[in-house]
Amino acid sequence: EVQLVEESGGGLVQPGGSLRLSCVVSGFIFSSYATSWVRQAPGKGLEWVSVISASGGSTKYADSVKGRFTISRDNSKNTVYLQMNSLGVEDTAVYYCAKDRHMGLLPTQNDAFDFWGQGTMVTVSS
Amino acid sequence: DIQMTQSPSTLSASVGDRVTITCRASQNIGGWLAWYQQKPGKAPQLLIYKASSLEIGVPSRFSGSGSGTEFTLTISSLQPDDFGTYYCQQYDSYSRTFGQGTKVEIK
Repeated sequence: EVQLVEESGGGLVQPGGSLRLSCVVSGFIFSSYATSWVRQAPGKGLEWVSVISASGGSTKYADSVKGRFTISRDNSKNTVYLQMNSLGVEDTAVYYCAKDRHMGLLPTQNDAFDFWGQGTMVTVSS
Repeated sequence: DIQMTQSPSTLSASVGDRVTITCRASQNIGGWLAWYQQKPGKAPQLLIYKASSLEIGVPSRFSGSGSGTEFTLTISSLQPDDFGTYYCQQYDSYSRTFGQGTKVEIK
């Protein structure tokens, strides 16, 4: 069974602070799939945040987080991370990890998301 | 960035109705479009990918069509479990933008 579990990192942080999210996956060959983070502010729609290629060699970011967030992965631990720095109130959201539907895509290829984690809430507030 | 615009923003329909949601892209995205259903407090679920391909396990009453800049999601016969918010998503560009969502309510 495919599972993505945001195991740690969510919570309350002050503006300007940092947080690291972790997403542990199982049930598929993690090292063959690109993985993304997607967020959803309270009562709002979905916003793609970042993607990392299957090997970890290619990363991309939404303009809203570029320079502040860093995505990484450890294929030996079946885990993808999102390091979030210089957090602002606008970063308050549920953060989901999500896997690409197709395996083996080139970093220049994009895909829909067939499995998602349950989400972890990040609240930025003083 | 590619902008995705859905219409309507909300719709209310009866069980058995045929329901159509439209998604327009600000530029040509070919067929690189997905549809998701999200229920309150849950992660989105993939319904359709590549504009018209039905995801495994998704009921056949869901269908997608379109290419280029205009796409539709159709529910052929609305069922009680189909309530929720539906999102389109382009994945022609790496930014994978979503539409703003269409909330479907059952009358």
